[in-house]
Amino acid sequence: QLQLQESGPGLVKPSETLSLTCSVSGDSISSSSYYWGWIRQPPGKGLEWIGYMYSSGRTYYNPSLKSRVTISADTSKNEFSLRLNSVTAADTAVYYCARLTAARPDYWGQGSLVTVSS
Amino acid sequence: QSALTQPASVSGSPGQSITISCTGTSSDVGAYNYVSWFQQHPGKAPKLMIYEVNYRPSAISNRFSGSKSGNTASLTISGLQAEDEADYYCSSYTISGTLVFGGGTKLTVL
Repeated sequence: QLQLQESGPGLVKPSETLSLTCSVSGDSISSSSYYWGWIRQPPGKGLEWIGYMYSSGRTYYNPSLKSRVTISADTSKNEFSLRLNSVTAADTAVYYCARLTAARPDYWGQGSLVTVSS
Repeated sequence: QSALTQPASVSGSPGQSITISCTGTSSDVGAYNYVSWFQQHPGKAPKLMIYEVNYRPSAISNRFSGSKSGNTASLTISGLQAEDEADYYCSSYTISGTLVFGGGTKLTVL
């Protein structure tokens, strides 16, 4: 059974870097069949696509976040990570990691609330 | 990239059918058959209900169906049940290789 679990600080100061890790069990992130990505949801608002990566390391980012986002993988730990630089209060959201099969996120983590505040 | 357009809310009575639209452009919804639909209950992660316009994951009820015409995709729920009350989101692959979500639709079962 595939499981994804987000982890990381729940509070980040403005202008600093948000870092989250997604631990994957039940599948290998090195598999060439899937992509691995991040999605966020500000409180009371809709879903926003952040980006995703392929096993080769190729990445695709939301153009509105591209200058601040990095998604990378640690295959030895079967984890992938999100880094978002220069955060503001607008980056406060629940952050989900997900597996993608043919352009659809079919397995999701439970989500991790990150609040940007001093 | 702009979010796909969904109605903010829809409602229906138990047993009725409702349809939620998702309008994009020729660069996303109209370009590929990679439209998905998600159901989200409060405090929960989204759940995949429909993929590639009209395919259902094995565990999803056949009361849920999808379709597409041009730049607009639709989700239809037949035989509405109380547990269908949730937020629904569409998503589409784009010609840039990215993904985009709709703004979400709140379904109320009266």
